[in-house]
Amino acid sequence: EDQVTQSPEALRLQEGESSSLNCSYTVSGLRGLFWYRQDPGKGPEFLFTLYSAGEEKEKERLKATLTKKESFLHITAPKPEDSATYLCAVEGTSGSRLTFGEGTQLTVNP
Amino acid sequence: NAGVMQNPRHLVRRRGQEARLRCSPMKGHSHVYWYRQLPEEGLKFMVYLQKENIIDESGMPKERFSAEFPKEGPSILRIQQVVRGDSAAYFCASSSSTGPNEQFFGPGTRLTVL
Repeated sequence: EDQVTQSPEALRLQEGESSSLNCSYTVSGLRGLFWYRQDPGKGPEFLFTLYSAGEEKEKERLKATLTKKESFLHITAPKPEDSATYLCAVEGTSGSRLTFGEGTQLTVNP
Repeated sequence: NAGVMQNPRHLVRRRGQEARLRCSPMKGHSHVYWYRQLPEEGLKFMVYLQKENIIDESGMPKERFSAEFPKEGPSILRIQQVVRGDSAAYFCASSSSTGPNEQFFGPGTRLTVL
């Protein structure tokens, strides 16, 4: 059974204070690892897909990296508008469904 | 904006009633997924459908829940005889039949069972 664990559960940062969110996974043959952002009362918003160890993707202040056992979402010089819950999910060879972690709730204070 | 559409956004039902949730995938997408997010819990997969076919329903409760994606019209998630434990946010996602399985989510339907 595919499993995803995210840490920390919650993270509070000052504006401009860089940090990283962790996503550890076990999966039967990784087809893809996905990062989403979810704002309160809304659906998850797609951010990145990573397919193989060593891969990196960037978008504005966010950079996602992947190893064989975990992924990191690095946030550089965050702003208050980056406050959201960040979700990590994996797709394994057992099917097209995504298995999600419980998310990291990020709060960036001005 | 041809994003994933879900309706209704909010649905209130009394115990024992039926709930019908609708999802229209993004333009050009033929794969639909339903997920449930219980309060203070993560997103859990329920069912994966293509037009007129259920591909994977391994996450669907065996009783009271059903899903369809007809040749014409939206996908429907149907919950019969709702109970309080069905109160949750139900999200639909869609993906293209080609390329990576990047799933794009709708805004969700928040079901409250009184």
